[in-house]
Amino acid sequence: NAGVMQNPRHLVRRRGQEARLRCSPMKGHSHVYWYRQLPEEGLKFMVYLQKENIIDESGMPKERFSAEFPKEGPSILRIQQVVRGDSAAYFCASSLGTELYEQYFGPGTRLTVT
Amino acid sequence: GQNIDQPTEMTATEGAIVQINCTYQTSGFNGLFWYQQHAGEAPTFLSYNVLDGLEEKGRFSSFLSRSKGYSYLLLKELQMKDSASYLCAVRDRDNAGNMLTFGGGTRLMVKP
Repeated sequence: NAGVMQNPRHLVRRRGQEARLRCSPMKGHSHVYWYRQLPEEGLKFMVYLQKENIIDESGMPKERFSAEFPKEGPSILRIQQVVRGDSAAYFCASSLGTELYEQYFGPGTRLTVT
Repeated sequence: GQNIDQPTEMTATEGAIVQINCTYQTSGFNGLFWYQQHAGEAPTFLSYNVLDGLEEKGRFSSFLSRSKGYSYLLLKELQMKDSASYLCAVRDRDNAGNMLTFGGGTRLMVKP
């Protein structure tokens, strides 16, 4: 059973470009979470999605950032017009459900904005 | 909201025991998690506490006191490969779903 998969593992973008980060949850998992980790800092929650629905996006910046989890295919975190401050590791996690279920993390995408 | 505190760095000797503390404040506590994260890698699940007491899993144990808002992760018989960051995370039932709030992580260095 493959774990959580994220691609690309490393992404370099120039200021003003768009970044698209993909996450395929573990097989059977329908709950996806995106976290951001700035250098030397802890993980910060961004958004929680279930299939075709955004459940909680309280941690996501209001502008330039969006997320989706379509019925078919991976979850996508999209950052438009990237700025240097967006440089970070972006981790996706998935779980089987809520309450009693732990989250499994993907390997992360390291975004560098030049 | 939540507030989670843990030491930034700790150093210990191979073969020794180390205790990493975590204190938290949350309105609707619904479980505490410990994750291990090696540099440049994904966090991996270590332990989960929702009731008071000690949970033991091999060389790693985790303790929780809900009345004190306190947990610790105990690592025994330290090995060099235990050098990593250890993340304390709290789940709050006031948050939709299973969203975790993480502390800043404790970077543990194990020396020979």
